[in-house]
Amino acid sequence: EAGVAQSPRYKIIEKRQSVAFWCNPISGHATLYWYQQILGQGPKLLIQFQNNGVVDDSQLPKDRFSAERLKGVDSTLKIQPAKLEDSAVYLCASSLDDRVREQYFGPGTRLTVT
Amino acid sequence: QKEVEQDPGPLSVPEGAIVSLNCTYSNSAFQYFMWYRQYSRKGPELLMYTYSSGNKEDGRFTAQVDKSSKYISLFIRDSQPSDSATYLCAMSSSGGYNKLIFGAGTRLAVHP
Repeated sequence: EAGVAQSPRYKIIEKRQSVAFWCNPISGHATLYWYQQILGQGPKLLIQFQNNGVVDDSQLPKDRFSAERLKGVDSTLKIQPAKLEDSAVYLCASSLDDRVREQYFGPGTRLTVT
Repeated sequence: QKEVEQDPGPLSVPEGAIVSLNCTYSNSAFQYFMWYRQYSRKGPELLMYTYSSGNKEDGRFTAQVDKSSKYISLFIRDSQPSDSATYLCAMSSSGGYNKLIFGAGTRLAVHP
């Protein structure tokens, strides 16, 4: 079974630029999560999708971050404009549905904002 | 106060040692408890998952949950250099949408 795929793996941008990350969850997984992991901290949930609907985006900085999950499969997370404090690893995870507690993570995208 | 507290370490042990990793939490609604292992520049990998209180064993790994003390532990027996990683505890409540709250992670180094 293929795992969660993410791209790109690394990205370096200047502040005020925009960036987008892509995630493909495990096949058949209805729930998709985007997390932000700042160096030395645990992952923090940004947004959770159930199929193509948002169920929790309470910690997403909506003035600059946006995410979508068209057709309930792939997802894209965008930052525009980026700030220095957005430097982090952006992790995508998926689970079978929102009642199944096990979440499976992708390798992450390491973003550096200069 | 953070909802989940975890000693960041680093923890350095010799090969073969028994390792004890711990987390405390403040939210009594947490019912699901997980341990993830994260190697450098990799995503977290689910290691152990327990529901409510009690123990769970899987090979060299044992997870314990003490809800009365709001304290969870992960024990690693006969530790190996390949166990060197950051260990993250995570937990969620029974309601809601399966939102995981993570600890900051403990860095473990097992030296030969």
